[in-house]
Amino acid sequence: QSVLTQPPSVSGAPGQRVTISCTGSNSNIGAGYDVHWYQQVPGTAPKLLIYANTNRPSGVPDRFSGSKSGTSASLAITGLQTEDEADYYCQSYDNILNRPGVIFGGGTKLTVL
Amino acid sequence: QVQLVESGGGLVKPGGSLRLSCAASGFTFSDYYMTWIRQAPGKGLEWVSYISNSCRTIDYADSVKGRFTISRDNAKNSLYLQMNSLRAEDTAVFYCARYRLWEEIDFWGQGTLVTVSS
Repeated sequence: QSVLTQPPSVSGAPGQRVTISCTGSNSNIGAGYDVHWYQQVPGTAPKLLIYANTNRPSGVPDRFSGSKSGTSASLAITGLQTEDEADYYCQSYDNILNRPGVIFGGGTKLTVL
Repeated sequence: QVQLVESGGGLVKPGGSLRLSCAASGFTFSDYYMTWIRQAPGKGLEWVSYISNSCRTIDYADSVKGRFTISRDNAKNSLYLQMNSLRAEDTAVFYCARYRLWEEIDFWGQGTLVTVSS
């Protein structure tokens, strides 16, 4: 069971908007640690999609955006395209044992209908 | 350009050992924390271990503590993971990745598959 909770799957038609939630607790997201998002196309390595809650690395389309509030974060994808079909993971840090542990959400499979 | 290339994966029997390597290039290796993250078939990402840039700080997931040992050689721009007492549940693709503490994991290798089976 992952420390961060994501919905197992979301879907949308081309051109639509979808959001993926990532829920943590007061020892991780709620403690002020940033949330980062990764996109993983099946059979390939994860790729950084959003860093520090809201920032896009160079080359990531502005259709992807992130937000964070309290103990949760969200990834929004607007103008869905077929190539967006992938698994998406949120990541943060947890300091509950005074150890800076990297934590992930369980992943969300995005299906473009 | 930044490259992380893992090697050393393969098929091993339960109880066996394997040593993974990750060759880094295109960046100042000693500036970054390095981590191993694994993904079992059809499952999500699981953090395995990390090592600080100076080797001063190391940590492991509870699932591998006492069996796996992470190390790095900054002179050789290389990261390693010695895996002993392997179990079937260790079967996964192992990724090496770089990051700065408290920040995003900004680059991942392509992964190496470890299969533990008799």
